[in-house]
Amino acid sequence: AQTVTQSQPEMSVQEAETVTLSCTYDTSESDYYLFWYKQPPSRQMILVIRQEAYKQQNATENRFSVNFQKAAKSFSLKISDSQLGDAAMYFCAYRHRIQGAQKLVFGQGTRLTINP
Amino acid sequence: DVKVTQSSRYLVKRTGEKVFLECVQDMDHENMFWYRQDPGLGLRLIYFSYDVKMKEKGDIPEGYSVSREKKERFSLILESASTNQTSMYLCASSRGSIPAGYTFGSGTRLTVV
Repeated sequence: AQTVTQSQPEMSVQEAETVTLSCTYDTSESDYYLFWYKQPPSRQMILVIRQEAYKQQNATENRFSVNFQKAAKSFSLKISDSQLGDAAMYFCAYRHRIQGAQKLVFGQGTRLTINP
Repeated sequence: DVKVTQSSRYLVKRTGEKVFLECVQDMDHENMFWYRQDPGLGLRLIYFSYDVKMKEKGDIPEGYSVSREKKERFSLILESASTNQTSMYLCASSRGSIPAGYTFGSGTRLTVV
């Protein structure tokens, strides 16, 4: 079974600085998707970024980018120019590409605090 | 704006009660999911459904059941609530064959006393 591990329960960063959240996963498959979700205090989960495993290029979305290392099974999220609104729980998630119903497997989460 | 709506934001129930958590989506999505979220454990899949009247067990189905009589509605049932089912419950939906992420509801924080 696939597993996702986030080894940093909490992280903090100064406003305007850069922070990297770590995620590793375990799978025997070669074709899959990886996601980062953000859960602010409102509890609404928001998709931050998505990476297809067959793409070598790292995904980017404005201030958010990933470092996808397929061989190492690592998928870290970099947040540049951190803003107060980035404070949230962040979850890394895995989905097999072919299996039906798009089940997502989530990591334990990292709580990110932004210090003004 | 597309939505997944969970009927209650907060709920307090007594041990042994039968509890219904309701989830409705307006996006005509085929797939619907119930997760529970606990500190340090992340989100764990309870049940999911990929079509009306279809259901499959997730990783932690014990003590729960589900119902999907209509495409837009997916209900989670706690047959006899216990204190260890105190948790945040998140519903989500996704389109069948598109590799997108989920759309989530805002969660129901259930306390069993």
